[in-house]
Amino acid sequence: QKEVEQNSGPLSVPEGAIASLNCTYSDRGSQSFFWYRQYSGKSPELIMSIYSNGDKEDGRFTAQLNKASQYVSLLIRDSQPSDSATYLCAVTNTGGFKTIFGAGTRLFVKA
Amino acid sequence: KAGVTQTPRYLIKTRGQQVTLSCSPISGHRSVSWYQQTPGQGLQFLFEYFSETQRNKGNFPGRFSGRQFSNSRSEMNVSTLELGDSALYLCASTGQSQETQYFGPGTRLLVL
Repeated sequence: QKEVEQNSGPLSVPEGAIASLNCTYSDRGSQSFFWYRQYSGKSPELIMSIYSNGDKEDGRFTAQLNKASQYVSLLIRDSQPSDSATYLCAVTNTGGFKTIFGAGTRLFVKA
Repeated sequence: KAGVTQTPRYLIKTRGQQVTLSCSPISGHRSVSWYQQTPGQGLQFLFEYFSETQRNKGNFPGRFSGRQFSNSRSEMNVSTLELGDSALYLCASTGQSQETQYFGPGTRLLVL
């Protein structure tokens, strides 16, 4: 079992729709969870971080964490073509010194 | 504040050679992590340094090594290069909160 798993996609949504990205992790003691966005040829940039169960909203983005189910998700409301990128889920291990990334989900937003 | 910088940005080497990559973290950041990114394997953790000490290491062979200097700048070295080492090598620095990682632009290495 991979430590952090994501559906590789591609996920295609029309402009204005909600895009839902999912991630599961194996280390039950993980404490910190992140979503990064990576455009083709660029380095990852942080979108959201979440540390406790529940929802965290930032503009059009909402991160959801369920530690009991070892599940993290990212919702993008009112999706725009500029949101087309690969979204990486990242989980910091129990010791806090190692961050494991999922393989990423490619998102296409059609105009 | 200046961001994370990496040098060189591009490298072409041949099999058997060795290479050294450099990373300068954001000013004040003491933790530097290195990753290898390939289309097939995604972003793979190499190692993490804090105050000149390696605190964690990924599952890479001993040909991959690194170090960190007293000014928090870090280098990674790959010896006896193989074709499969062709990848984008990213470093990320983390501040006092030990949370958010800020990535540099990466060094793209091509091994022929």
